[in-house]
Amino acid sequence: DGGITQSPKYLFRKEGQNVTLSCEQNLNHDAMYWYRQDPGQGLRLIYYSQIVNDFQKGDIAEGYSVSREKKESFPLTVTSAQKNPTAFYLCASSRGEAPIDSNQPQHFGDGTRLSIL
Amino acid sequence: SQKIEQNSEALNIQEGKTATLTCNYTNYSPAYLQWYRQDPGRGPVFLLLIRENEKEKRKERLKVTFDTTLKQSLFHITASQPADSATYLCALDDYGGSQGNLIFGKGTKLSVKP
Repeated sequence: DGGITQSPKYLFRKEGQNVTLSCEQNLNHDAMYWYRQDPGQGLRLIYYSQIVNDFQKGDIAEGYSVSREKKESFPLTVTSAQKNPTAFYLCASSRGEAPIDSNQPQHFGDGTRLSIL
Repeated sequence: SQKIEQNSEALNIQEGKTATLTCNYTNYSPAYLQWYRQDPGRGPVFLLLIRENEKEKRKERLKVTFDTTLKQSLFHITASQPADSATYLCALDDYGGSQGNLIFGKGTKLSVKP
């Protein structure tokens, strides 16, 4: 079955440490996204990518970095500069090339829950 | 930029009744509005998309309406079942923000009691 796989499901970060969250899709989608979800808040966009080797900052990109070397993969690194990283992180993908077509539904993975040790 | 309000954090109804969830937006009318379902600890799952020139869209027991005058979408689940219990999110495009990406409401948690 086609879908999006996020790993790990749970992740713990020590102070001053960078951690990387994995996101892989086999839907042949061009666009991929990273969101952060906090209790009582809507999903907030961190980064998005419309095509391989290109990505754009979302609304809360500070303290995060991404890469898009392959169409299938869009890893997110939470750097030590992110002072409040505890959250549920969701990766999504959708069809369509630039500009992003909001007519297309987004397909989500099952998230990674990041906590601070 | 666009703001979305899902004006009920939680909605409790009895099995068999119709659940009605509300999504209001504050600025420009979006070209499309989407509804998603999210279960605890899982990612959202797409349910329905409605365009600005569509008044109503149906899929099995689900119905979505879109009123650009009221700046509102209503999401209905008829003959509700306990399995419908979840958080429902509305989302629309945000041309004032990150180049037409979706912005999401905070969601309404629906509980259907047997």
